[in-house]
Amino acid sequence: SYELTQPLSLSVALGQTASITCGGNNIGSKNVHWYQQKPGQAPVLVIYRDNNRPSGIPERFSGSNSGNTATLTISRAQAGDEADYYCQVWDRYTGVFGGGTKLAVL
Amino acid sequence: EVQLVESGGGVVRPGGPLRLSCAASGFTFDDYGMSWVRQAPGKGLEWVCGINWNGDSTGYADSVKGRFTISRDNAKNFLYLHMYSLRVEDTAFYHCARGASGAGMNWFDPWGRGTLVTVSS
Repeated sequence: SYELTQPLSLSVALGQTASITCGGNNIGSKNVHWYQQKPGQAPVLVIYRDNNRPSGIPERFSGSNSGNTATLTISRAQAGDEADYYCQVWDRYTGVFGGGTKLAVL
Repeated sequence: EVQLVESGGGVVRPGGPLRLSCAASGFTFDDYGMSWVRQAPGKGLEWVCGINWNGDSTGYADSVKGRFTISRDNAKNFLYLHMYSLRVEDTAFYHCARGASGAGMNWFDPWGRGTLVTVSS
């Protein structure tokens, strides 16, 4: 089965840039989607199809995908960006999520 | 406002059945595929199953194949998850989520808040 690998945790200083990676075999050939989940809340879509932002998501959120790694980049990190972030793809008609990355804003 | 509201969770003994429901509103339900995604307490997200817009195509994670059945009632705007032979490891919050097209195999937006299923003796 297809696997997605994310770092368990990442910390970023307030106002700096955080890059959360999602590794998978030839993931660049797939569409990657990213979700933000804050404690006690449902996940929220922040990036779809590699690098597209839904309405209402700040321009500070961006994505890229190439080779074996997809990346979610959060510029000018704010305290409100502290959350768990998950990448997601489809493989052979099966949904696949990465294990999630806990982002701390210091 | 697009809204998904799950119900039907609770405590069930191992081996028992349970049916979850998801009420959809604020959009044309039969334009979209739908999925169930679960999250064990303190753990990550796991896709459980999905169904296309008219219900004639479904898919399941290996962990639930043969035990869970997804269905939908487009006349009532409801999504269902029929769970059988439940195991302790099925304990989780179960979220319904809308796909981005009729096939549903793309991104999930929005998500419901979830309903908690606890499998325990």
